[in-house]
Amino acid sequence: VIWMTQSPSLLSASTGDRVTISCRMSQGISSYLAWYQQKPGKAPELLIYAASTLQSGVPSRFSGSGSGTDFTLTISCLQSEDFATYYCQQYYSFPWTFGQGTKVEIK
Amino acid sequence: EVQLVESGGGLVQPGRSLRLSCTASGFTFGDYAMSWVRQAPGKGLEWVGFIRSKAYGGTTEYAASVKGRFTISRDDSKSIAYLQMNSLKTEDTAVYYCTRDSRVTHASGKSSYYFDYWGQGTLVTVSS
Repeated sequence: VIWMTQSPSLLSASTGDRVTISCRMSQGISSYLAWYQQKPGKAPELLIYAASTLQSGVPSRFSGSGSGTDFTLTISCLQSEDFATYYCQQYYSFPWTFGQGTKVEIK
Repeated sequence: EVQLVESGGGLVQPGRSLRLSCTASGFTFGDYAMSWVRQAPGKGLEWVGFIRSKAYGGTTEYAASVKGRFTISRDDSKSIAYLQMNSLKTEDTAVYYCTRDSRVTHASGKSSYYFDYWGQGTLVTVSS
């Protein structure tokens, strides 16, 4: 099983801030990593796959980087609609696993 | 427009069974793998299981927590994926989401899947 450590679990930020979320793997997964955004009471939505490929329709202020064991999601200029919970997920090997989630809240 | 609609959730007693359905539209269902992901109240996301498209054998994979109790199947003629849940436990209480899984081949040559569309979810409550 590939274990994932996502940090921080809670991030307080203001509109316009640049924020980064980290995801670390217990073993290398090349670039088999996706990021999802979930708003309260809603289903998650895909933001990024293959560690850095932006899903169609996702604003360019979102970006992903990393390979191997260390990955980062960056929101370059936080907007009001970005306050949500973010999850990383590895699809390198079964069982597919998610990070614990990072809640981005208004400071 | 891709749409996934889950149904079949509800209140069920421990040890009983329940079958969830995921009805798809807006894409050629048979061309895609599908997964089920769940989220216990106030908790994070947990992958439950996966079924490949017929082109890749239609085979399944499961999380250890449900293996032997849950079964995923598909009916491509109806564009429906199913999650049959037997011997339910209180810890299976969650919102269950179905996902459409897109296949990607990385530079290494290894292929896998990511969840590109999600349904709205259906709540399963296991309680006496």
